[in-house]
Amino acid sequence: AAGVIQSPRHLIKEKRETATLKCYPIPRHDTVYWYQQGPGQDPQFLISFYEKMQSDKGSIPDRFSAQQFSDYHSELNMSSLELGDSALYFCASSLRLAGDTQYFGPGTRLTVL
Amino acid sequence: AQTVTQSQPEMSVQEAETVTLSCTYDTSESDYYLFWYKQPPSRQMILVIRQEAYKQQNATENRFSVNFQKAAKSFSLKISDSQLGDAAMYFCAYRGPKNYGGATNKLIFGTGTLLAVQP
Repeated sequence: AAGVIQSPRHLIKEKRETATLKCYPIPRHDTVYWYQQGPGQDPQFLISFYEKMQSDKGSIPDRFSAQQFSDYHSELNMSSLELGDSALYFCASSLRLAGDTQYFGPGTRLTVL
Repeated sequence: AQTVTQSQPEMSVQEAETVTLSCTYDTSESDYYLFWYKQPPSRQMILVIRQEAYKQQNATENRFSVNFQKAAKSFSLKISDSQLGDAAMYFCAYRGPKNYGGATNKLIFGTGTLLAVQP
């Protein structure tokens, strides 16, 4: 079965640079979620989209923005990167009418130097 | 606000034995969903099992089963016949009621329990 695809899998950036993370949900899934997992931490919700509209927002810094495109893929844009942004970023997708169980991608490991 | 608590930072089990991981949560909702996710060293988040709060029957998936006590707000995971591949961090997660009005329901995770499986 197709899974959630995230790219890139690893990303190294310098402080103050910009990063773009991409997420391709499971086909036919209508909802995308982004989570951030710091070292030794549990995943923290950032933002979600349902049918290409932002539907919920968590503890996402103003330096971050995201959107979901017409083909349902989503991108998380991160600007003015800080050392503390180094983390594993997960994308998850779900199908609202099928119980909305979230299936996670493999994550993007972002390292900010 | 909803919270999820996993009071066992680390657990250990012998191969082929049974282990139970604890999870408690706090919510004022009556309809919600609970999950256990497994995160092996690869860091992939893998769904283990899901429980709907309106269902009294405990969910089972092969060697994995839960003990859902709604009144006590407890949701423990039992792993039977433990295997070396079960070694991972296990996260308990809560999600609120299904919402068709546009807002989604984020997962709220506990702090995790690191399970070691001894050969």
